[in-house]
Amino acid sequence: ETGVTQSPTHLIKTRGQQVTLRCSSQSGHNTVSWYQQALGQGPQFIFQYYREEENGRGNFPPRFSGLQFPNYSSELNVNALELDDSALYLCASSLASASGETQYFGPGTRLLVL
Amino acid sequence: QQQVKQSPQSLIVQKGGISIINCAYENTAFDYFPWYQQFPGKGPALLIAIRPDVSEKKEGRFTISFNKSAKQFSLHIMDSQPGDSATYFCAAQRGDFNKFYFGSGTKLNVKP
Repeated sequence: ETGVTQSPTHLIKTRGQQVTLRCSSQSGHNTVSWYQQALGQGPQFIFQYYREEENGRGNFPPRFSGLQFPNYSSELNVNALELDDSALYLCASSLASASGETQYFGPGTRLLVL
Repeated sequence: QQQVKQSPQSLIVQKGGISIINCAYENTAFDYFPWYQQFPGKGPALLIAIRPDVSEKKEGRFTISFNKSAKQFSLHIMDSQPGDSATYFCAAQRGDFNKFYFGSGTKLNVKP
């Protein structure tokens, strides 16, 4: 186990709704990244937070937003849900260093948009 | 443009055999190449990783071979076991930008 936890484990929403997913980082890690993994695909980078600031973003629209809290836990918010947002959402925590870092993934939240 | 290309999409290997999964990348700025193992319903778990200053890294039954000039790297699983049946992802990262690019995954089935 990585020590990274995510909640909820599963979620069903309808199109147009908003959703908040939560992640608790591994102890001592100051960086959290969020990924979207569609069925049968590799994870796609959404964004990363380092010390409560966004530190890079992938090709996702602004309706995907995030927060990182002083205790380094994190939230992913998605507004105006679309059917294509149905996926496994993964967070990964890491300890940033000058030479890059190893990311440790949580179990994910499976979101279904109807 | 897909930054990391992974093959094959699926692989069937007999117990005790060697499983080989290949990845190729485009960006020569990548300097960290991990492999992740993912079981159904679970998040990816780090298996083994390599940096481009070495051509091979071995940990137990798992070996990464790295060819910097060809911009390719591969995962070899020796003495494959049914418990190795999972989806494997290669990834690449630039050290100055903490974003991982993942391959599309290889579903490995090790038959008893």
